[in-house]
Amino acid sequence: NSKVIQTPRYLVKGQGQKAKMRCIPEKGHPVVFWYQQNKNNEFKFLINFQNQEVLQQIDMTEKRFSAECPSNSPCSLEIQSSEAGDSALYLCASSQVDTGQLYFGEGSKLTVL
Amino acid sequence: GDSVTQTEGPVTLSEGTSLTVNCSYETKQYPTLFWYVQYPGEGPQLLFKVPKANEKGSNRGFEATYNKEATSFHLQKASVQESDSAVYYCALSGTSGGNYKPTFGKGTSLVVHP
Repeated sequence: NSKVIQTPRYLVKGQGQKAKMRCIPEKGHPVVFWYQQNKNNEFKFLINFQNQEVLQQIDMTEKRFSAECPSNSPCSLEIQSSEAGDSALYLCASSQVDTGQLYFGEGSKLTVL
Repeated sequence: GDSVTQTEGPVTLSEGTSLTVNCSYETKQYPTLFWYVQYPGEGPQLLFKVPKANEKGSNRGFEATYNKEATSFHLQKASVQESDSAVYYCALSGTSGGNYKPTFGKGTSLVVHP
């Protein structure tokens, strides 16, 4: 039973459309990660936050992807202009500082037609 | 950068047989090592973690020993059950300063037949 809440569980978008996913981290966890999991189960790190600040992000995230973790609101990951290659399971995870242990949500499965 | 290499799946076993999933890693830091498990339709969840070299972690009959010299963290179970069918991920993470990015292996799919 995940305590990290991700919505929506599924979303279907056409190419060029925006896709937005939300994540409520586990209570008391200041660190939030977004990973992209492809159909081969491989994880790709996208971005992480501590509180509202970005710690690290990859180039892909900097271009078409945007993410934020505002205080007192869900974190979000948005793809500005979806491409077929973006079809994947997007996993949000949260963590306490200095443990390295991630608590994952159930993911948002994006299909880009 | 850090990397984790694990047994390529799928691994197909019959109930009651033993399991070994190999995991080796490369890093310049002194990491904590993890095994996560992901059941169909769910997010990954922690199976167990080991923060110190030469120590063993275990949970639900699965175990692994942190071998710093060999840079390995192989997952074993003496007798698998059909309910163990899932994808297993080996991972490592530094833990200093909060500015860390856990690294995952590519996952090993386990299918256990009754």
